[in-house]
Amino acid sequence: AQSVSQHNHHVILSEAASLELGCNYSYGGTVNLFWYVQYPGQHLQLLLKYFSGDPLVKGIKGFEAEFIKSKFSFNLRKPSVQWSDTAEYFCAVNARSSYKLIFGSGTRLLVRP
Amino acid sequence: ETGVTQSPTHLIKTRGQQVTLRCSSQSGHNTVSWYQQALGQGPQFIFQYYREEENGRGNFPPRFSGLQFPNYSSELNVNALELDDSALYLCASSVRLAGLRTDTQYFGPGTRLTVL
Repeated sequence: AQSVSQHNHHVILSEAASLELGCNYSYGGTVNLFWYVQYPGQHLQLLLKYFSGDPLVKGIKGFEAEFIKSKFSFNLRKPSVQWSDTAEYFCAVNARSSYKLIFGSGTRLLVRP
Repeated sequence: ETGVTQSPTHLIKTRGQQVTLRCSSQSGHNTVSWYQQALGQGPQFIFQYYREEENGRGNFPPRFSGLQFPNYSSELNVNALELDDSALYLCASSVRLAGLRTDTQYFGPGTRLTVL
């Protein structure tokens, strides 16, 4: 069965620090990969996605993620976080032959001013 | 462009009751998926509707059922509510691609269901 692991459940950073959130999935076939963000009091929003092509994808608000097929990973990065990045981040995987998104358990990021 | 909308925003029910949650899909989207997000967890797939038919279900019992209407809006019905059904219920809309695949799913704000 497909699964998604997000290793960091809680991350606390100071403003301007660099961010990397880990995401690993278990599925041997071709996948689509997503990062969603849930700001406090708001709904899930798409941050970025990978379907094919360049494994380094850029999303909104300066976020990027790199798909490393050999490691089954899709880590999220941002070189310099802001207080407004405080949110919960979810990695999700969709097998190309499937209709459903499988989510990780999420990472709560707190950025201190 | 109107995004995904859900109603109601909050709902309180008691064990054994039945509940209906509603979702309007984003303009141009023909597929609706429902997810359950328990506190502190990621969303879990319940089922997906396309062309008014359920075409995929996660690990949820039959008391979770749904409908999709010709305008692509959808309902989630839960019968015989249990305490563990307390969660945020999310609706996501997307465009159906070839085969079973759908394009990116866009989420609504959710309905917070509390079962007492």
